[in-house]
Amino acid sequence: GEDVEQSLFLSVREGDSSVINCTYTDSSSTYLYWYKQEPGAGLQLLTYIFSNMDMKQDQRLTVLLNKKDKHLSLRIADTQTGDSAIYFCAERRAAGNKLTFGGGTRVLVKP
Amino acid sequence: DTAVSQTPKYLVTQMGNDKSIKCEQNLGHDTMYWYKQDSKKFLKIMFSYNNKELIINETVPNRFSPKSPDKAHLNLHINSLELGDSAVYFCASTSDYHPGEQYFGPGTRLTVT
Repeated sequence: GEDVEQSLFLSVREGDSSVINCTYTDSSSTYLYWYKQEPGAGLQLLTYIFSNMDMKQDQRLTVLLNKKDKHLSLRIADTQTGDSAIYFCAERRAAGNKLTFGGGTRVLVKP
Repeated sequence: DTAVSQTPKYLVTQMGNDKSIKCEQNLGHDTMYWYKQDSKKFLKIMFSYNNKELIINETVPNRFSPKSPDKAHLNLHINSLELGDSAVYFCASTSDYHPGEQYFGPGTRLTVT
C-alpha cells in the first residue's frame, strides 16, 4: 500500500521481543489494525487500536500509536517459533468499510 | 464449521479461459470483500458488497465481475484470463458493527499459464 508502509523483514531469536513498525499518511484514520498471515493461510486479526489511544496491551502483544508522527508499532514479547509469519498493519479511514493494508513484514523467529 | 470458505483452493488454467471462484461465510456478516495478493504478498482490495449491493469497486479490469446472490455468498468471475491475473485471491467478511475486524477465507491460488 502506498499510504501504509512497513519494513520488509525482521529476524529475531526465540524468547526475544519483536518490534514491527508501520507508518501511515492519512490523519483521518480512525482505527489501526495488525493482522497475521501464516504460510498458506488467510489473514487473521491480531489486535487493533482506536486512534485516540496511545497504547493497547493484549497478553504478549503491545500496540503503540504515535498519532502525531503517524507511526504504529507492534511489540511481541517472548517471541516463539509459532510467531513466524507475515504481519500486516492496516488503517481504516473515517468513512467506509475499506481497509488499506501495508506491504507486510515477514518475521522469522530463529531457535 | 469454517467461517469463511472459498472454492477452489487451487486453480490452474490457460490464458484466455474464463473461471469463477466462490466464497461463502456463515458468520451472519453483512459485508464481503475480494482481495488480490500478488507474489510479493501485497494485498489489494478489489470489490466489496454490503447486503448484496456493490459498495467498493477499485480500479479493476472489467474482465473481473463479482456477484452476490445473497449476503452469505460472494463469487468472482474472471473472463479472458491473463498471465498477470496469477495471484492468491482472498475473500473476507465483516459485520457492520466493526468493519475493520475482517475474517478471511483460506485463499484461492490462481495460476494462469
